[in-house]
Amino acid sequence: DAGVTQSPTHLIKTRGQQVTLRCSPKSGHDTVSWYQQALGQGPQFIFQYYEEEERQRGNFPDRFSGHQFPNYSSELNVNALLLGDSALYLCASSLKNSGYTFGSGTRLTVV
Amino acid sequence: AQSVTQPDIHITVSEGASLELRCNYSYGATPYLFWYVQSPGQGLQLLLKYFSGDTLVQGIKGFEAEFKRSQSSFNLRKPSVHWSDAAEYFCAVGARGSTLGRLYFGRGTQLTVWP
Repeated sequence: DAGVTQSPTHLIKTRGQQVTLRCSPKSGHDTVSWYQQALGQGPQFIFQYYEEEERQRGNFPDRFSGHQFPNYSSELNVNALLLGDSALYLCASSLKNSGYTFGSGTRLTVV
Repeated sequence: AQSVTQPDIHITVSEGASLELRCNYSYGATPYLFWYVQSPGQGLQLLLKYFSGDTLVQGIKGFEAEFKRSQSSFNLRKPSVHWSDAAEYFCAVGARGSTLGRLYFGRGTQLTVWP
């Protein structure tokens, strides 16, 4: 049974560019959450999607947007990249209050 | 405001020694409580969670944690550490409910194990 799959694993972007990160949830999970983890810090909640709607949002600017598809997979989009957006982006899936399963993350470097 | 404090940024122990990682939280009501472990460049793996019931929770890899409501703490323990336990450990809290919402994480405790 595959867990949470994220792609790509690494990427490098230039300031001002846009990036899309992808996440396939664990089989049977219907809720997807995104977290940003800066170096040396704990993960910070970006937003959560359920039934293709954004259900909760953390303290992130509108440059961060997302989408959930009918098959529960999700995308995270970041526009106008800043150097400070360099981080590990983690996707987590869940079903009701069963607990989160995290993916291995996408390492984004903005230069 | 919700917050999680892990007061120890870095802990070093010898292999075979006991371990306790501290976690204190600030939350409006008793939350769900979690401990995760992260190896370098990897995602988070759930060690254990507390939702309700017995306040001493057993997890994977021989870890346990005790919820103390009066101290707003959820400390992680292991009686005998193995070299493979070296990693970063995160405590997290989330709101109670029929669905799991956002989690608030501490900044983590880096564990080094000496042979």
